[in-house]
Amino acid sequence: QVQLQESGPGLVKPSETLSLICSVSGGSISGYFWSWIRQPPGKGLEGIGYIHYSGSTTYNPSLKSRVIISVDTSKNQFSLKLSSVTAADTAVYYCARLNTMYNWFDPWGQGILVTVSS
Amino acid sequence: YVLTQPPSVSVAPGQTASITCEGNNVGSKSVHWYQQKPGQAPVLVVFDDNDRPSGIPERFSGSNSGNTATLTISRVEAGDEADYYCQVWDDSSDHPVFGGGTTLTVL
Repeated sequence: QVQLQESGPGLVKPSETLSLICSVSGGSISGYFWSWIRQPPGKGLEGIGYIHYSGSTTYNPSLKSRVIISVDTSKNQFSLKLSSVTAADTAVYYCARLNTMYNWFDPWGQGILVTVSS
Repeated sequence: YVLTQPPSVSVAPGQTASITCEGNNVGSKSVHWYQQKPGQAPVLVVFDDNDRPSGIPERFSGSNSGNTATLTISRVEAGDEADYYCQVWDDSSDHPVFGGGTTLTVL
């Protein structure tokens, strides 16, 4: 079965760029849409954006100016870059597969806590 | 588009829990539900209003009509304690919308 695993720095300085990778195992990244979702501590879920394995992307309008999502099919990975981060970007970041029949997320990675602090 | 959930729901073991998700004409959309236990990632428990992924007990069911979608958990167990989130797709932004989440407490 498909499994997802996030990786990257757990601490990022304000104004810098947050960079995360999601590695997909147990199945091919091809043929699907893949997404990033975040959850600030003690709060709810927020979609960041998603990418088709072909490379086409859609971003949350509220984050669009700071987000880049890319895919590397040769490595079965996709990545997230969020620029100019502030403390408000502190959150657990999840990657998940987007099932486009009726647009639900399954499966999810375990999540990675990224703290923005100097 | 906004989805509104009650912050908390409490139920005794063996009873039935109902968690609502309100949105404007949400009955015209496909609603999905996730269970999130402390320190864990969300897990899909109901998709497309009332279908269950493999491995999810039949105790979990959903309905959706008018302005309210409902996740129903029958014969609640202590292990069902978790936060539950509803989710739909906003066609205007082509992006997901999540409800604020409901904490289910088993008394």
